[in-house]
Amino acid sequence: QKEVEQNSGPLSVPEGAIASLNCTYSDRGSQSFFWYRQYSGKSPELIMFIYSNGDKEDGRFTAQLNKASQYVSLLIRDSQPSDSATYLCAVTQGWTSGSRLTFGEGTQLTVNP
Amino acid sequence: NAGVMQNPRHLVRRRGQEARLRCSPMKGHSHVYWYRQLPEEGLKFMVYLQKENIIDESGMPKERFSAEFPKEGPSILRIQQVVRGDSAAYFCASSPRLAGGRSSYNEQFFGPGTRLTVL
Repeated sequence: QKEVEQNSGPLSVPEGAIASLNCTYSDRGSQSFFWYRQYSGKSPELIMFIYSNGDKEDGRFTAQLNKASQYVSLLIRDSQPSDSATYLCAVTQGWTSGSRLTFGEGTQLTVNP
Repeated sequence: NAGVMQNPRHLVRRRGQEARLRCSPMKGHSHVYWYRQLPEEGLKFMVYLQKENIIDESGMPKERFSAEFPKEGPSILRIQQVVRGDSAAYFCASSPRLAGGRSSYNEQFFGPGTRLTVL
């Protein structure tokens, strides 16, 4: 079983729709959860992080965490073509600096105009 | 505030040569991490360093790879006697340390990466 699993892509949504990206993790000791966006040939860019159960909203992005189900998701509202990228879910065991990130393999999102 | 800096951005080496990748963390960041992304694969942790200390090298291959973060200057990832399988993108990330030595949340910010090609 992979430590971090993401829903297999590619995911394609029309412009203006909600894109839903899912991630599960196997280590119950995981404390902090991150979503990165990576454009082709570029480096990962931090979009959201979440530590507590529930929802966390930032602009068009909402991260959702359910530790009991070991599940974290990212919703992108009003999707734009510029959101087309690979989205990486990452988890760490600790919540402070010094914990390595374990990444999923990513979900490729395409937003069609 | 400059972000994480890495150089070179592209590096070409022939088999058997050495590769040196450099990383300067963001200002105020004292934690440095190296990750590798092989073609068509996910990001994999390699090593975590603080100034003059290797804290976690559990992801480093046991041979040919080494890392350091000296008191002065950038962090260096060194690959000796490179092989074709070392061709990958190598990313450095840094995370902050709060005043007074307290750790902050573990947001890691990535540099632009070094694309290593081994011929």
